[in-house]
Amino acid sequence: DAGVIQSPRHEVTEMGQEVTLRCKPISGHDYLFWYRQTMMRGLELLIYFNNNVPIDDSGMPEDRFSAKMPNASFSTLKIQPSEPRDSAVYFCASSPLPLYEQYFGPGTRLTVT
Amino acid sequence: GNSVTQMEGPVTLSEEAFLTINCTYTATGYPSLFWYVQYPGEGLQLLLKATKADDKGSNKGFEATYRKETTSFHLEKGSVQVSDSAVYFCALVISNFGNEKLTFGTGTRLTIIP
Repeated sequence: DAGVIQSPRHEVTEMGQEVTLRCKPISGHDYLFWYRQTMMRGLELLIYFNNNVPIDDSGMPEDRFSAKMPNASFSTLKIQPSEPRDSAVYFCASSPLPLYEQYFGPGTRLTVT
Repeated sequence: GNSVTQMEGPVTLSEEAFLTINCTYTATGYPSLFWYVQYPGEGLQLLLKATKADDKGSNKGFEATYRKETTSFHLEKGSVQVSDSAVYFCALVISNFGNEKLTFGTGTRLTIIP
């Protein structure tokens, strides 16, 4: 298996623009997680899905952030409009069961200028 | 709520030194415990895990024992290598009837010098 795939790997955009991050989980994994990592705040869970249904979105910072999982093999995290403070590395992870290990993608480094 | 407290970093050691990174947790219930490692420019990957009290997880020369009495899961390695330089995260998860998110510590940056 190719592992969790994220695209793009790097994104540079201007403040106010819409940003869409993409994730393909490992086939057969029912759980998908979106994280954000910054030096100041460390690793934060934004939202997670079980069987394509959002279970907990309490970590989504504000309404500018939205996430979808239209099917078992694809998820998006959208920021609209983007702001400089959204600059971070965004990770997607998937897991076969909640108490098992999570498999992380390589991350998307987002820079908002 | 659930939380994980990790030893503050950064930690710098010489090659072949003994490593300990402390981790303690607070949880309502019986968590499973994990150590994840993040190498530069990569995502996190599982290093080892333990699912019940007194279990010892081990991998790549690293070990950690689930100590319920002290609510700890300290990471140890007897002889570190330059390739062990990375950020290490302690984490826990508890099954809570539909809410099973992983709670991470803040991470400890480890640098090994030749």
